[in-house]
Amino acid sequence: GAVVSQHPSRVICKSGTSVKIECRSLDFQATTMFWYRQFPKKSLMLMATSNEGSKATYEQGVEKDKFLINHASLTLSTLTVTSAHPEDSSFYICRVHNLLNTEAFFGQGTRLTVV
Amino acid sequence: GQQLNQSPQSMFIQEGEDVSMNCTSSSIFNTWLWYKQEPGEGPVLLIALYKAGELTSNGRLTAQFGITRKDSFLNISASIPSDVGIYFCAGSRTGNQFYFGTGTSLTVIP
Repeated sequence: GAVVSQHPSRVICKSGTSVKIECRSLDFQATTMFWYRQFPKKSLMLMATSNEGSKATYEQGVEKDKFLINHASLTLSTLTVTSAHPEDSSFYICRVHNLLNTEAFFGQGTRLTVV
Repeated sequence: GQQLNQSPQSMFIQEGEDVSMNCTSSSIFNTWLWYKQEPGEGPVLLIALYKAGELTSNGRLTAQFGITRKDSFLNISASIPSDVGIYFCAGSRTGNQFYFGTGTSLTVIP
């Protein structure tokens, strides 16, 4: 069964609105989760590392005020795209990391379309 | 962040043929993972490798952790149409932070 649940799978929003994407670890507690963005036919680009109980660590070039990350519990991290614009349209994927065996599992992804 | 060199970038093969792809890094890794991603979905873990020289199979898929610890290989035998997708390698030094390959797009022609 699924190890990671990401919701919603698809969302269409108007420019200027905010969208929240949830990532849940179903099988184990995850002190760290990762958020990626993927453009069509491209590899995964790490946006930020979400840390439970502390601030997220953002990769260079990623606006932390635009992509708000909250890791409220050991099983839930959220990514909020604030004041979305069409150029934010993309595929967003979370990843959780199992410290016991170093395997890494991805969510199903969220297709965001900003119109 | 760092990306691994993955080749080939794309492959078009006939059903039944074998497939080989590889991933190389300029630095040593302690873990290699291989994923398959289908359109509109997140990557799904296929094989995990933890030791240099390790050879692991998952059905028709076989992956190897290179002896130098700077590369890894994935082979698919007797390809079928449902093998279509993008295959990504991922390497890690710490087991937490992973670096991803650029992906290999596989098309299987029936």
